[in-house]
Amino acid sequence: EPEVTQTPSHQVTQMGQEVILRCVPISNHLYFYWYRQILGQKVEFLVSFYNNEISEKSEIFDDQFSVERPDGSNFTLKIRSTKLEDSAMYFCASSESPSVGEQYFGPGTRLTVT
Amino acid sequence: GESVGLHLPTLSVQEGDNSIINCAYSNSASDYFIWYKQESGKGPQFIIDIRSNMDKRQGQRVTVLLNKTVKHLSLQIAATQPGDSAVYFCAENWGPDKLIFGTGTRLQVFP
Repeated sequence: EPEVTQTPSHQVTQMGQEVILRCVPISNHLYFYWYRQILGQKVEFLVSFYNNEISEKSEIFDDQFSVERPDGSNFTLKIRSTKLEDSAMYFCASSESPSVGEQYFGPGTRLTVT
Repeated sequence: GESVGLHLPTLSVQEGDNSIINCAYSNSASDYFIWYKQESGKGPQFIIDIRSNMDKRQGQRVTVLLNKTVKHLSLQIAATQPGDSAVYFCAENWGPDKLIFGTGTRLQVFP
């Protein structure tokens, strides 16, 4: 069964450093998403991406965040200057269509900012 | 504002019993709802969905009920098994590109 993959599984970085979290969505999917989950809290929407541009973003997704699909398979989330409060699990998801059925989630990247 | 919440943070059931997990939502304009299961160390996994033009939808051992009058969603799991132990989230589709998740309910299944 096809699945969304994410690398790395765990990333430790110092405050102020840039990080790039990587995702490989399911190959025939066209819609891509990033979510985050602070430990013990609910999953929060960050951004959705379609046709090489952001289609929606939340108030969490400020200027420190950016997304990119650098090639035909990868989808990345960059945090330009990490803060302690960016520590969380970051989930990538993809779907065939935004209005029909489920988004498939990857296993997540645990980001720890020290 | 955006608000999808769960009534019970933890639900403990005995193996073989039925489980009912509840969710309240605030956006009366939402037309699509999803239940996700999240096991420890994994991403959310789709269980079942329902559109606002339906009251009930059944899957394999799971049923979702939607009460639009009181903006309430529930997930029923029949004959709960140890493998059902996880955190369950309801999610609400705010527009075509955005899912708003509830707080989550932890389901614990005892033998």
